[in-house]
Amino acid sequence: EPEVTQTPSHQVTQMGQEVILRCVPISNHLYFYWYRQILGQKVEFLVSFYNNEISEKSEIFDDQFSVERPDGSNFTLKIRSTKLEDSAMYFCASSVAGSGINYGYTFGSGTRLTVV
Amino acid sequence: QKEVEQNSGPLSVPEGAIASLNCTYSDRVSQSFFWYRQYSGKSPELIMSIYSNGDKEDGRFTAQLNKASQYVSLLIRDSQPSDSATYLCAVNEDKLIFGAGTRLAVHP
Repeated sequence: EPEVTQTPSHQVTQMGQEVILRCVPISNHLYFYWYRQILGQKVEFLVSFYNNEISEKSEIFDDQFSVERPDGSNFTLKIRSTKLEDSAMYFCASSVAGSGINYGYTFGSGTRLTVV
Repeated sequence: QKEVEQNSGPLSVPEGAIASLNCTYSDRVSQSFFWYRQYSGKSPELIMSIYSNGDKEDGRFTAQLNKASQYVSLLIRDSQPSDSATYLCAVNEDKLIFGAGTRLAVHP
């Protein structure tokens, strides 16, 4: 079964450092998403991406965050200057259709980011 | 602000029983709904989607949707200890809006 692949599985970084989280969506999917889940809290939408541009972003996705699809397969989330409160599990997801109807959204296994 | 509400639980049921998980949503025009299962420290895993009023069955799982009441539920028949997880209700608004999840514990 096709998978969304995320690397690394766990990243520890010092406050103020830049991190890049990487995702390889399912190959025929066109819509890509990043979600965040702080320990013990709900899964929160960060950003959606289609046709090489951001479709929608949440209030969480401020100027410290950026996304990129540098080639035909990778989809990255960059946090420019990490803060302690950025510590969370970050999930990448992809979908064939933007509405997810009839296909749903497939999630990667996540990257646990720990900011110290 | 569009909201999805779930009882956080834990919901404890004996093995073999029916587990009933409930969810309400705030946006009357929402069209599609998903149930995900999330084991501790893992990613959400799609169980079922539902778009039409009524019931939709898949194996031991039945999703129920009532758009007039803005209510979605998930029934798990013949619950197994391996079903113990957090169940996330999500509403599709061109991205998923998740509830906080209901923790289910199935005890032998």
